[in-house]
Amino acid sequence: AQSVAQPEDQVNVAEGNPLTVKCTYSVSGNPYLFWYVQYPNRGLQFLLKYITGDNLVKGSYGFEAEFNKSQTSFHLKKPSALVSDSALYFCAVRERKSGANNLFFGTGTRLTVIP
Amino acid sequence: NAGVTQTPKFQVLKTGQSMTLQCAQDMNHNSMYWYRQDPGMGLRLIYYSASEGTTDKGEVPNGYNVSRLNKREFSLRLESAAPSQTSVYFCASSDWVGYGYTFGSGTRLTVV
Repeated sequence: AQSVAQPEDQVNVAEGNPLTVKCTYSVSGNPYLFWYVQYPNRGLQFLLKYITGDNLVKGSYGFEAEFNKSQTSFHLKKPSALVSDSALYFCAVRERKSGANNLFFGTGTRLTVIP
Repeated sequence: NAGVTQTPKFQVLKTGQSMTLQCAQDMNHNSMYWYRQDPGMGLRLIYYSASEGTTDKGEVPNGYNVSRLNKREFSLRLESAAPSQTSVYFCASSDWVGYGYTFGSGTRLTVV
């Protein structure tokens, strides 16, 4: 079965500093990996995905993620954090089953950017 | 605006009561999903529907039923609500490729 792990429940970073939110995965076959963000009292919003190709994936709001096959990781990064980046971030892996594309999510990492 | 619409946004139920959560999408997506979100557990898949006329169990289907009414609508029913079903419920949809989901804004359900 596919799964992802987010080892940090909480990440704090000062505004203007680079940020990293960690994710590791376990899949059979080629991984299809995603990052989503959730702002308070809102649904999840898509940030970026890795399907194939370049290991560095660029997404929305200046975020990027680095796919590392040997370390089975897909860490989310941003060069300079903004206070408005404070939110709950989820890593997810896709499993194709019975004709559907089911996403399995990590437990989430709460990012707090300190002014 | 195109997207996924969930109703209601909030609901309080007494133990043993029943209710149906509604979900509709207008993006012509084939697949639809129901998730529940609980603190420290992320999102867990309850049921999914790969296409109109099909439904399948996800990770945590016990206590729930679903209906894919047509291509646009996918409802989730709690027949006899229990306090353990207190959660935030999200509906989502995706196309055949499944490169990304679109989520609704959620239903916050409290069972007392």
